Amino acid sequence: GAGVSQTPSNKVTEKGKYVELRCDPISGHTALYWYRQSLGQGPEFLIYFQGTGAADDSGLPNDRFFAVRPEGSVSTLKIQRTERGDSAVYLCASSSTQNSYNEQFFGPGTRLTVL
Amino acid sequence: ILNVEQSPQSLHVQEGDSTNFTCSFPSSNFYALHWYRWETAKSPEALFVMTLNGDEKKKGRISATLNTKEGYSYLYIKGSQPEDSATYLCAFNTGGFKTIFGAGTRLFVKA
Repeated sequence: GAGVSQTPSNKVTEKGKYVELRCDPISGHTALYWYRQSLGQGPEFLIYFQGTGAADDSGLPNDRFFAVRPEGSVSTLKIQRTERGDSAVYLCASSSTQNSYNEQFFGPGTRLTVL
Repeated sequence: ILNVEQSPQSLHVQEGDSTNFTCSFPSSNFYALHWYRWETAKSPEALFVMTLNGDEKKKGRISATLNTKEGYSYLYIKGSQPEDSATYLCAFNTGGFKTIFGAGTRLFVKA
């Protein structure tokens, strides 16, 4: 079956603009995660969804960041008033609740560049 | 604050060399340790899930060991090939949904 997909693969925007990043998880996976990977660092947790609800959004850096998953499948990460420091690779991952060790399946990421 | 450290940060080897990297993690509240391989422009791919102290896992030329008491895991690659060039990430889980990643070891294998 299809893996996790993310669109766009690359996004270049100007400072102050609004962007949306999309994630299509593996069908049937109820858990969905967003991470941000900045240069030289590991993926940093942003938000976790279980079904439609955000079970933990403690990793979102500030109120410019917001994510939704209205039907419990596709998720959109929204960034308002982008800043140069938001430039990073945004990774999405999904997992099944049957996966007791929380093995996550990742998408290829969206590389966001804020000029 | 849970911290996962990986060393070295990057590594350049010749084709055919064997190599290894280290992942250090907190020795308390251990539940699972994951290794992922992340090639440029692709998705991070799961290599191993390690759960028990003393675990050894192997997949082809790649193997990993786990010491939960002292808080480290080693990843070994035997006879490195250019296609092994990637970033190798380890990730620590305490039993909940949250997984803490290390910064990765970037491996370059020269033909």
